[in-house]
Amino acid sequence: AQSVTQLDSQVPVFEEAPVELRCNYSSSVSVYLFWYVQYPNQGLQLLLKYLSGSTLVKGINGFEAEFNKSQTSFHLRKPSVHISDTAEYFCAVSDPGRDNYGQNFVFGPGTRLSVLP
Amino acid sequence: NAGVTQTPKFRILKIGQSMTLQCAQDMNHNYMYWYRQDPGMGLKLIYYSVGAGITDKGEVPNGYNVSRSTTEDFPLRLELAAPSQTSVYFCASSYKTAYNEQFFGPGTRLTVL
Repeated sequence: AQSVTQLDSQVPVFEEAPVELRCNYSSSVSVYLFWYVQYPNQGLQLLLKYLSGSTLVKGINGFEAEFNKSQTSFHLRKPSVHISDTAEYFCAVSDPGRDNYGQNFVFGPGTRLSVLP
Repeated sequence: NAGVTQTPKFRILKIGQSMTLQCAQDMNHNYMYWYRQDPGMGLKLIYYSVGAGITDKGEVPNGYNVSRSTTEDFPLRLELAAPSQTSVYFCASSYKTAYNEQFFGPGTRLTVL
């Protein structure tokens, strides 16, 4: 079964600094990859996803992520963060081989990004 | 489209009480899910459904029950509430293929005292 690791449980960063949130998954077979954001007291919303093609994926709010198959990673980056980016970020992996099996999504434990003034 | 809706937003229960958390989606999604989120613990899957009349257990099903009589609705039932069920509950839905993301509701914050 797939598993997702987010090594950093908390990442504090100053406003306008760059940030990278790390995500690694367990399997080297083909997967689909997702990043979600959860603002305080809200549900999760999709930031971006990788299905195929270019390994650099651009999402909403200036975020981007790079898929690295050899390192089984999908790290999220933003060149300059804003106070409003303070939130929890979840990486998720979906297994194309498990279509129609229902439980094909696995979420990581989350990384809490705190942007400091 | 309203997307995924959940009611209530907040609830306080006494130990031993029962309640149903409501979830509905208007996107004609096949799959629906219930998660619980505890501080620092990420999301844990409680139950999921691949279509009307079909449900299955997730990682943490004990103390919960679900039903799926229609495509739109997926209620979660708590029987004999316990303090360990204090959590934030999220409902989500998706199409059946793996490349389709899950859409989440706003959550229900439940406290059991």
